[in-house]
Parts: sequence; structure tokens; C-alpha cells
Amino acid sequence: DTAVSQTPKYLVTQMGNDKSIKCEQNLGHDTMYWYKQDSKKFLKIMFSYNNKELIINETVPNRFSPKSPDKAHLNLHINSLELGDSAVYFCASSTLQGEQYFGPGTRLTVT
Amino acid sequence: SQQGEEDPQALSIQEGENATMNCSYKTSINNLQWYRQNSGRGLVHLILIRSNEREKHSGRLRVTLDTSKKSSSLLITASRAADTASYFCATNSGGSNYKLTFGKGTLLTVNP
Repeated sequence: DTAVSQTPKYLVTQMGNDKSIKCEQNLGHDTMYWYKQDSKKFLKIMFSYNNKELIINETVPNRFSPKSPDKAHLNLHINSLELGDSAVYFCASSTLQGEQYFGPGTRLTVT
Repeated sequence: SQQGEEDPQALSIQEGENATMNCSYKTSINNLQWYRQNSGRGLVHLILIRSNEREKHSGRLRVTLDTSKKSSSLLITASRAADTASYFCATNSGGSNYKLTFGKGTLLTVNP
């Protein structure tokens, strides 16, 4: 199936832990993104990579570090997790025209 | 910062009726896009309209764009229960094809 996939779907962890979320797209897109959707469904961009190069880095705590080993993968590592990091994190990739294709989301719960 | 604002925040209609959602934005744009999000799922791209376009159709969807008023509308005709979802507008501006700024969404409920 052609798609954007991300793992895990659910992540429950304690404050202070470090965790990673992985994302892969097989759509052949050059650009990938990480978004955070809060409990009110507000979707905010965090990072974007184009062909493994960081092009968007919004005001995100430096506990969040994206890594793109190749243009089909964009992972998100989060250090020292805090309660406020609880949200749904979406990975996406986009066509040259700018249409974005989203993964199914990772629901992160920090206790 | 938030760019798009959808209106209404929630809309409840009967199956077969038309649903209209509006989006207003603040700065000039390259394009405006509409996305659908079913509960617990990722966003699905519906339609993209460029700043030099005024109207676009895709199946039962009709999108209009008025750049002078900085607003867009999404019309879903002959709605179905399966159209129940949140609908978001997203704007692309600033000379880049990459960054989208999303609104807060309209929750559409279509009652069978």
C-alpha cells in the first residue's frame, strides 16, 4: 500500500523518559513533516525536511529532535518527556504542489 | 501563529442536505487547502485551490476562494453519514510550498 506510516500508534510513558516515533512514506515525496495536534484538535507544524535537509523548525523545545536518515524516513526523538507533551503527533509528506499526505498519528500520553 | 479560522465550529445536518463551511485567513496566500479528519485518524487532503483561482470542484465538493475578503468556503452537497468528520482549512503562504498553517476546524455531523 502506498502511504505514510508511523509507529507506534499509541505510546504511554512516564515523565522524564525518552521516546522515539518513526515515520516512513513510500509515496516518493521529497518533503516530510511532523505536526502536533493538541486536545482541542489544533494542528501545529513542528518540523519539515526536504530531501533530508531541515527546512522548517518552529518554536519547539530542543528536547524534540527530528532525524531524517533518508528522504523516505523522518523520525522524532523526544527527551525528558513532560506532561504537556501529551498529544497526537502526525507525520506527513507532500507533493511538489504542496498537497500533504498524513500518517495515522501517534497518540502520546505522558503520565 | 494561527492563520485560518473555520466557521462554524460545529455543524449538524441531516443526510441529503448540503453543508457549508467557511474559512477566513489573515495574510496573503499561495494556496488554500481543505482537509478532512475522521475521529482518531490522520488528515486526508480534499482539495487545493491556488490564489489565482476562484472556484474548484471535486465530486460533491465545491471550494470557493475570495482573496479580496481573505476567505474560502467548502460546500459538500448531498451529504452522507460518512461525511461526518472534522474539516480543516490550511493556508500556504510566505513564498514556500512547504509550510501549511491550519485552522481549528469545523466538526460536521451528518445525521442519518
